[in-house]
Amino acid sequence: EAGVAQSPRYKIIEKRQSVAFWCNPISGHATLYWYQQILGQGPKLLIQFQNNGVVDDSQLPKDRFSAERLKGVDSTLKIQPAKLEDSAVYLCASSLVGFRSPLHFGNGTRLTVT
Amino acid sequence: SQQGEEDPQALSIQEGENATMNCSYKTSINNLQWYRQNSGRGLVHLILIRSNEREKHSGRLRVTLDTSKKSSSLLITASRAADTASYFCATVPSGGYQKVTFGIGTKLQVIP
Repeated sequence: EAGVAQSPRYKIIEKRQSVAFWCNPISGHATLYWYQQILGQGPKLLIQFQNNGVVDDSQLPKDRFSAERLKGVDSTLKIQPAKLEDSAVYLCASSLVGFRSPLHFGNGTRLTVT
Repeated sequence: SQQGEEDPQALSIQEGENATMNCSYKTSINNLQWYRQNSGRGLVHLILIRSNEREKHSGRLRVTLDTSKKSSSLLITASRAADTASYFCATVPSGGYQKVTFGIGTKLQVIP
């Protein structure tokens, strides 16, 4: 099966600019996750979708971050405006049956904010 | 917040030796998962162990779970240079909203 696809692979922007990341999960996976991983730390969950509905976005900085999952398949994560502390790797993952099945991760987007 | 805490944070061993990593957590879990991350890549799932299981194997990997001590361990036997990576445990709490929460990881270096 094809894995989780993410793009772009790398992105460099200046602070206060906007940026968007795209994720295509594994076909048939109902649950989609966006994680933020700062260098040297474990992934932190930003938002979790079940089909096209939001299950958890308690750690998403909603004043600057937004995410959507159209038609329960692809998803985009946007940051506007970016801050220096947003520099991180943004990982998308999907799973077949929520928390009862393993997460499959994409290779991530490395964001550098200067 | 991160529920799982891996120990040690860094581990360096010779090829052929066994590597043991530990994960401790605070609240009751539904399941616990171990993942590997190679530098610059996404995480790869290794093993999922449910709260009613005590041990699981997959190739050279062995995971144990002690719910009374709220801890798990990952053993890699006969390590290889290719096992060099960061290893994370992820916990899913029982009851309430079951969010997959990752620890800070153990960085393993296997020296050829």
